Amino acid sequence: AQSVTQLGSHVSVSEGALVLLRCNYSSSVPPYLFWYVQYPNQGLQLLLKYTSAATLVKGINGFEAEFKKSETSFHLTKPSAHMSDAAEYFCAVTLGINLFFGTGTRLTVIP
Amino acid sequence: DARVTQTPRHKVTEMGQEVTMRCQPILGHNTVFWYRQTMMQGLELLAYFRNRAPLDDSGMPKDRFSAEMPDATLATLKIQPSEPRDSAVYFCASGLDRLSSYNEQFFGPGTRLTVL
Repeated sequence: AQSVTQLGSHVSVSEGALVLLRCNYSSSVPPYLFWYVQYPNQGLQLLLKYTSAATLVKGINGFEAEFKKSETSFHLTKPSAHMSDAAEYFCAVTLGINLFFGTGTRLTVIP
Repeated sequence: DARVTQTPRHKVTEMGQEVTMRCQPILGHNTVFWYRQTMMQGLELLAYFRNRAPLDDSGMPKDRFSAEMPDATLATLKIQPSEPRDSAVYFCASGLDRLSSYNEQFFGPGTRLTVL
């Protein structure tokens, strides 16, 4: 069975500060991992994905995530937060068709 | 650009009424997913299809919910009769099932349902 755990349902950072959103996965075999972002009143948009190629994955809007098998983690980072990054972020895992989503982390950016 | 479309975007109805939500997947995609999002439960998978055939609808309340794909360009989710607890945002997503790899899902904008 696969699952992801997102640590911290709410994260607040100052504008310009580092963004770190945590995601740990559970999977019996190497998984595919995703980060999605949801802006208010919108659907989920793919930020980036890990598909067993490079362990450091770069996505849109300056975000990146690193797959660490030893830590079963896939944390999302951005060096400098922007006001427009305020949204909810979902980590997800799949071995095939289904995506298994975490509970989400709401990011607030303080001016 | 190719997008998943959903109609209606907002729906307000009274308890007991039938609600039909529609989704047009991205052309060429062969998988369709229905999700429900609420503050309390988060994102829940209700049902999904591959090549128009239902693969799993175990997430749906069977007595009132039904999901179908009349053709490759239309997926529907019906609630009959609707109840206030069905109030939520319903998302449709589509993807291309690569049998040897992963299935990346593309989400629609959602239908916000309010049942009074």
